[in-house]
Amino acid sequence: GAGVSQSPSNKVTEKGKDVELRCDPISGHTALYWYRQSLGQGLEFLIYFQGNSAPDKSGLPSDRFSAERTGGSVSTLTIQRTQQEDSAVYLCASRYFETQYFGPGTRLLVL
Amino acid sequence: AQSVTQPDIHITVSEGASLELRCNYSYGATPYLFWYVQSPGQGLQLLLKYFSGDTLVQGIKGFEAEFKRSQSSFNLRKPSVHWSDAAEYFCAVGNYNQGGKLIFGQGTELSVKP
Repeated sequence: GAGVSQSPSNKVTEKGKDVELRCDPISGHTALYWYRQSLGQGLEFLIYFQGNSAPDKSGLPSDRFSAERTGGSVSTLTIQRTQQEDSAVYLCASRYFETQYFGPGTRLLVL
Repeated sequence: AQSVTQPDIHITVSEGASLELRCNYSYGATPYLFWYVQSPGQGLQLLLKYFSGDTLVQGIKGFEAEFKRSQSSFNLRKPSVHWSDAAEYFCAVGNYNQGGKLIFGQGTELSVKP
């Protein structure tokens, strides 16, 4: 069956520009997570959505980062005024019971 | 604070040899434990998970892991490694009292010698 999909797979942007990363979770999964994978920091939790509850934003590194989830399905992670330290792979996961299933990630490079 | 430690950053084994990747966690209660594998340029694929019950769990691709509460460990094993097992392996702990976000170890990169 279809897994978690993310787009774009790669994104190159200039410092100071805004970027949007998209995640399509597995149909029927009500929980959705964003993580960031970088060389210096490893895999870090960013934000979590569960149904209609307020998202857990405790992992967002700064107020330049935001995310939304529309209709309980697709999610968009937005990074405003990108900085070089934002370069990383951004992974999305959706959860079924206790298990998270990951997408292939978006590799972001900020020049 | 919850944490996961994978002491070995890089391991090299010969094809056909046995493998054990170490994982230690710090958590206040019985955690949900996972092993994921990541091939270059790919996302994370679930190998196996432990929630409760039998402490020896079987996963895909011939992997198994054993939960040892007394040692706070969840080591991953495979009796005979194949060249296709070369990848990065991540141990993770999940806390479903805090929404289930995963805390990952730093990863162990596995190389396989022919």
